[in-house]
Amino acid sequence: GAVVSQHPSWVICKSGTSVKIECRSLDFQATTMFWYRQFPKQSLMLMATSNEGSKATYEQGVEKDKFLINHASLTLSTLTVTSAHPEDSSFYICSARGGGGATHEQYFGPGTRLTVT
Amino acid sequence: AQRVTQPEKLLSVFKGAPVELKCNYSYSGSPELFWYVQYSRQRLQLLLRHISRESIKGFTADLNKGETSFHLKKPFAQEEDSAMYYCALIRAGSQGNLIFGKGTKLSVKP
Repeated sequence: GAVVSQHPSWVICKSGTSVKIECRSLDFQATTMFWYRQFPKQSLMLMATSNEGSKATYEQGVEKDKFLINHASLTLSTLTVTSAHPEDSSFYICSARGGGGATHEQYFGPGTRLTVT
Repeated sequence: AQRVTQPEKLLSVFKGAPVELKCNYSYSGSPELFWYVQYSRQRLQLLLRHISRESIKGFTADLNKGETSFHLKKPFAQEEDSAMYYCALIRAGSQGNLIFGKGTKLSVKP
């Protein structure tokens, strides 16, 4: 099946620094990638949708200048948390969807746990 | 507003007992609904979708438009079914953006 990887799986950073998280589709071309945030014991909240080669579409309430998303190729999207603060500590999950067909199946990455100290 | 509601945070059953995980939705029109499962220390994965009308790992889910429900059922629970289950729907007019419920943790006891 389709595999999506994320790197790193866990990162600790100091308040005020920036962190980049990578999401890769390993065996298929992902025309659309999604970034989610999951707080402990809570559901996934969609942050943004990105299409290869175009600007990401952010959900209401998500600061686009703080959460920079780049989808430069059909197999890679990155999420950069700029000037991170402790309240940004969370589990960030990406998913990817291939092009074509009517299916909306998304393949999820394993997630990245961000801790901001 | 489009919304998915999973009323139970935790559902605990004994092995061999029937299980039903509830999911209700709010949506204008014909929704596209899914059940996702997340086993311990694993990534989220698709369990089934209502369009396929399939049975996966013994689980089934029927869309009931009258009751706006998409409950997940299994007649005989197994210990390996213990996991977090999320009901989700595709947001109308989106590129497949998923709206998730808060999830139900299923615990199957021996």
